[in-house]
Amino acid sequence: DAGITQSPRHKVTETGTPVTLRCHQTENHRYMYWYRQDPGHGLRLIHYSYGVKDTDKGEVSDGYSVSRSKTEDFLLTLESATSSQTSVYFCAISEGRGGLSGTQYFGPGTRLLVL
Amino acid sequence: AQTVTQSQPEMSVQEAETVTLSCTYDTSESDYYLFWYKQPPSRQMILVIRQEAYKQQNATENRFSVNFQKAAKSFSLKISDSQLGDAAMYFCAYMTQGGSEKLVFGKGTKLTVNP
Repeated sequence: DAGITQSPRHKVTETGTPVTLRCHQTENHRYMYWYRQDPGHGLRLIHYSYGVKDTDKGEVSDGYSVSRSKTEDFLLTLESATSSQTSVYFCAISEGRGGLSGTQYFGPGTRLLVL
Repeated sequence: AQTVTQSQPEMSVQEAETVTLSCTYDTSESDYYLFWYKQPPSRQMILVIRQEAYKQQNATENRFSVNFQKAAKSFSLKISDSQLGDAAMYFCAYMTQGGSEKLVFGKGTKLTVNP
């Protein structure tokens, strides 16, 4: 299994508070991704990174920001959490060198509840 | 934009029998990759099988195989000799060749395996 950890694994927070989720990898992979999973929607891409300090928006990026200061860490921040951001958040990584090296491997997920 | 459709929200199969999960996708590109991921109750996203669009030969992984019909834009997953541990959500996903290598997911099919 790819070495991917997410922290925290579970979090309950209140509307309006900032929240940061962390994804850590030990594979030295170039690409990292944040997805959210909601019933009836599958997984949707929030943001992704293609290198240190290189990030871009995904399909559902409003209300989220990311940072990547080291190859191994990719942070997702909810600047002011809302109830609509209650979800399960997954981090994924890939080598990203073209072909099947673009295959993504997923972390265990973080369940976030915004009250 | 590419889309992925899984038309069967739920499927069931008897243990030891064979089941096929459907997936269709929409794209104007000729070079891409397709994946099936499994998500058991633990919520971990597990790669099941992957297919390169330029390969005509269908991918197989033990009891799992695909029927890839490029002209029809169809990518179905066949599970042979179904086991209780196969019970999970199954997600079909599409990835463009090159660029950001982002995954587009279908909404998933919940597979129940009956003893």
